[in-house]
Amino acid sequence: AQKVTQAQTEISVVEKEDVTLDCVYETRDTTYYLFWYKQPPSGELVFLIRRNSFDEQNEISGRYSWNFQKSTSSFNFTITASQVVDSAVYFCALKLGSSNTGKLIFGQGTTLQVKP
Amino acid sequence: IAGITQAPTSQILAAGRRMTLRCTQDMRHNAMYWYRQDLGLGLRLIHYSNTAGTTGKGEVPDGYSVSRANTDDFPLTLASAVPSQTSVYFCASSDSSRGGHTEAFFGQGTRLTVV
Repeated sequence: AQKVTQAQTEISVVEKEDVTLDCVYETRDTTYYLFWYKQPPSGELVFLIRRNSFDEQNEISGRYSWNFQKSTSSFNFTITASQVVDSAVYFCALKLGSSNTGKLIFGQGTTLQVKP
Repeated sequence: IAGITQAPTSQILAAGRRMTLRCTQDMRHNAMYWYRQDLGLGLRLIHYSNTAGTTGKGEVPDGYSVSRANTDDFPLTLASAVPSQTSVYFCASSDSSRGGHTEAFFGQGTRLTVV
């Protein structure tokens, strides 16, 4: 079965704290793609990152970093020195390589609240 | 600005009524999707279309239909709305013309309340 689990429903931190959002996925495909999207209070979905299953290099983009570990089927997202503007719902998603479409399997989402 | 436009932004609909949610993209992406977002469930795929003229069922297709007459438009129709269809609906598109799919781009969403 294909599945994405974001076990943290809600996280609350104080500004400048580091925070990690967990994502665990399940798939039997050897080729797959993982994504993170941000949904700010305004409601739109903003693409953050895409990672394919053959590239386990961690990635850093400013205050954002992603840790992809195939051994534990995890693709965790860390925000360093969080800011109030980081408050949003964050979704992890999976696209199967065996799929002939770009359809995504989403996790339940993690609501991050960053307090000043 | 290029992207995906959904209409209406929000709607209150009486149960039993028919409703079409509109979605238009100007990125010339070949693939389009409809998702619904419900609290605690994330986004779930309703229907998709790989190219104009073709459609497919997603995870939760019952009660919904779609059509893809051209590349740009992908309307979602609720034939007879029920309260369980109260949700936020997102249209999305991606491009697979160069092999593999790009990330999906999403519209701003349509908040639908069925009463």
